[in-house]
Amino acid sequence: DTGVSQDPRHKITKRGQNVTFRCDPISEHNRLYWYRQTLGQGPEFLTYFQNEAQLEKSRLLSDRFSAERPKGSFSTLEIQRTEQGDSAMYLCASSLEARRGEKLFFGSGTQLSVL
Amino acid sequence: RKEVEQDPGPFNVPEGATVAFNCTYSNSASQSFFWYRQDCRKEPKLLMSVYSSGNEDGRFTAQLNRASQYISLLIRDSKLSDSATYLCVVNGVRFGAGTRLTVKP
Repeated sequence: DTGVSQDPRHKITKRGQNVTFRCDPISEHNRLYWYRQTLGQGPEFLTYFQNEAQLEKSRLLSDRFSAERPKGSFSTLEIQRTEQGDSAMYLCASSLEARRGEKLFFGSGTQLSVL
Repeated sequence: RKEVEQDPGPFNVPEGATVAFNCTYSNSASQSFFWYRQDCRKEPKLLMSVYSSGNEDGRFTAQLNRASQYISLLIRDSKLSDSATYLCVVNGVRFGAGTRLTVKP
């Protein structure tokens, strides 16, 4: 399977714990995005990378969230001291930079439940 | 004002109906526009790009109105399988909240 893969598919954690998610993009894609989605809402942009550089981070993203893409390939999203409000689907997408705008390819997401 | 706004619906239409969704955007300098489709509990998937001159893909037609800062998606002869949430995307990465469509027999 050469699509975007995310791990784990589901994560249940207790409030206050740290969690880390992984995303493996399509291999030739240089851009990688993280989104958060709650029921009835569209995907909310969190951050994106071009190769290993984190180029934009949403103002809505608290400092408990951090993302890395150390070698410009896979990426991790860590949430420290989780809160119940962090419960959501975390989606990763990748794209190839294009003049007419990127077409995003999404992974199946990681569903986080904070108890 | 949100960057991208959509009528959340839901739109409930019979099979064979024509249905249209609009999506407004706030940044007049926006350059790229897309429609994505998201099935229940699945990830979004690209449906079609939206070009300045308008474009068609089978039963689907997308249009851009720069003066009024909105894009539209028209679905003709709707099928049961068109039931999904339709998301507009501006500048590649900013999603609207989505419009839910249910096509009924």
